[in-house]
Parts: sequence; C-alpha cells; structure tokens
Amino acid sequence: DAKTTQPTSMDCAEGRAANLPCNHSTISGNEYVYWYRQIHSQGPQYIIHGLKNNETNEMASLIITEDRKSSTLILPHATLRDTAVYYCIVRLLISNFGNEKLTFGTGTRLTIIP
Amino acid sequence: DAGVTQSPTHLIKTRGQHVTLRCSPISGHKSVSWYQQVLGQGPQFIFQYYEKEERGRGNFPDRFSARQFPNYSSELNVNALLLGDSALYLCASSFLPLSGNTIYFGEGSWLTVV
Repeated sequence: DAKTTQPTSMDCAEGRAANLPCNHSTISGNEYVYWYRQIHSQGPQYIIHGLKNNETNEMASLIITEDRKSSTLILPHATLRDTAVYYCIVRLLISNFGNEKLTFGTGTRLTIIP
Repeated sequence: DAGVTQSPTHLIKTRGQHVTLRCSPISGHKSVSWYQQVLGQGPQFIFQYYEKEERGRGNFPDRFSARQFPNYSSELNVNALLLGDSALYLCASSFLPLSGNTIYFGEGSWLTVV
C-alpha cells in the first residue's frame, strides 16, 4: 500500500471549516483514499473514501487532486466533538477476498478551539 | 443495528499469562480483522479472517493467534504475555472484502500487562 504523509497536528476554530491535507504521491491507479478518525480511547470511526472523484457525505467532503497525489478532508462546520486524530489511508482493493489490511500512520491530531 | 462488539473492554494480566479477546462482527459481515494500537501510535494490522480462513497476517510473533467461528465471530489469543503487549486491541469487520467496501471498527479491548 502507498504511504501517506499528514501534518502532525492542526487547530481549527469552532464553526469554521477544518481542512486536513494528506499527501499520497506514490498512490497507484487502483488504490482508494480512506479517512478515519479516532476520538480519545475509542475505536477508529469511518468518515469517507474515494477513488478519483470528489466525495461528500453527511460527515465530510473529500477532495482528491486530479493527479491523485494528494487529498483534503473537509469538515464544513467543525464542532468541539470533531477533536480527534484523523487518519488518511491508501488502500489497495482487489476482488479476491483478500487484503482487508489498513495501514495507519500517526495521523493528524485536530483540535477544535472554542 | 449493533456495531462491532468486543469483550472484555478492559483487562489486566500478568506477564507470562495467556489472554483471549472476543469479537462479534456487524450482522452480515463475514470478514474480521484484528489490530493492535500501542499508546501514541496508529493501529497495526495483526490478522484478517474471511469465511473462517486466515487471509492476512501482520508482522507479529507466533504468540499471537486467532480464529473465526461459523457464526463469523472471532477470537484473538496471545500467549506468554509481555509488558509490551499492553495496548488497545481493535476488531474490525466488513461485508465482503471487495472493491469499495467499508471496514468498521469496534471500541476495542484495553489490555494491561503487569
């Protein structure tokens, strides 16, 4: 799986949009970008994933650059409950009932400031 | 709908002992994976099981073993516990390991080895 690079930490004011960058310059054509977050002492929570098109769901938006070498997770109106560690993961998906492995880095610790 | 459930939530063991951690996947999910998360680091992949067969193994010693039962629940066993095995053990499940599926995590089992 391709490696990802994320900033170690970020702050965002409550109510503002939080933009979390991720670099995955070695991503291959059949690898997806997944985002998870982990609130203190809880299991990772799935946020969103995409292949090459921008994606949006009720939690966030995912913007993937045209060359797919980087992406940005956007939390449109950050709240205090969004304070967490955010993980960007590149995942190779093949249809042979294998490779469920997710390779986590150290993620970005996002702190929402009141 | 119940999510991924894990038991016990917390436990304390002594060095050299054995531990069994249990996981029930989301209803309908047939793939189960196990991760270890040491304090301050991202989760590390240990095992993946699909249809009761091991489909993936991370870089962990043979003291770690797992199995999946006919109802798709799973156990993680760790023998001869070391202090360094103290961690949050996470179980994750998915519907099918095919392109585009999502992996969901449980809240984990906190293991402390003293």
